[in-house]
Amino acid sequence: GAVVSQHPSWVICKSGTSVKIECRSLDFQATTMFWYRQFPKQSLMLMATSNEGSKATYEQGVEKDKFLINHASLTLSTLTVTSAHPEDSSFYICSARGQIGGQSYTFGSGTRLTVV
Amino acid sequence: AQSVSQHNHHVILSEAASLELGCNYSYGGTVNLFWYVQYPGQHLQLLLKYFSGDPLVKGIKGFEAEFIKSKFSFNLRKPSVQWSDTAEYFCAVNPSYSSASKIIFGSGTRLSIRP
Repeated sequence: GAVVSQHPSWVICKSGTSVKIECRSLDFQATTMFWYRQFPKQSLMLMATSNEGSKATYEQGVEKDKFLINHASLTLSTLTVTSAHPEDSSFYICSARGQIGGQSYTFGSGTRLTVV
Repeated sequence: AQSVSQHNHHVILSEAASLELGCNYSYGGTVNLFWYVQYPGQHLQLLLKYFSGDPLVKGIKGFEAEFIKSKFSFNLRKPSVQWSDTAEYFCAVNPSYSSASKIIFGSGTRLSIRP
């Protein structure tokens, strides 16, 4: 079946630094990828939608300059948290939508970001 | 406001009990509906999905869900739960008006099964 690989699975960084998270579709072409943020014991909140070769569409309230999304190829999207602060600490999850099985959404395993 | 509502935040059942988790949405028009499960320490997995056709959808691990359009509901059911069903369950909706095909999640229901 469709597999989405997300790396790293966890990362600790210092406040003020930037962190890049990768999301790869391993066995299918992902025309659309989604980035979610999940706070402890809460649901997934959609941050942005990225389509290959075009600018990401951000949800209301999400800072575009802080959460940079790049979807340069049909198998890779990246989320860069710029100038991270402790309040950015969270669980970030990507999801990819491809052509296998019609409208199927496959989720990555998530990245636990801790900013100290 | 448009939303996905899961009525039960935490459900505790004994093994072999029957399960029904509620999900209601407020989007108009055609929607695609999903139930996802997140086992402790694992990523989201698709349990089942509804796009069209038979409103009673069968999923993996004995789960099923029924789409009732008039009630804007998509409740998840399982006739006999097992301890291994302990997890977080998320209902999700993909509104047809969304050209980006994004899916919106409910707040989740934590299911705890007593052995």
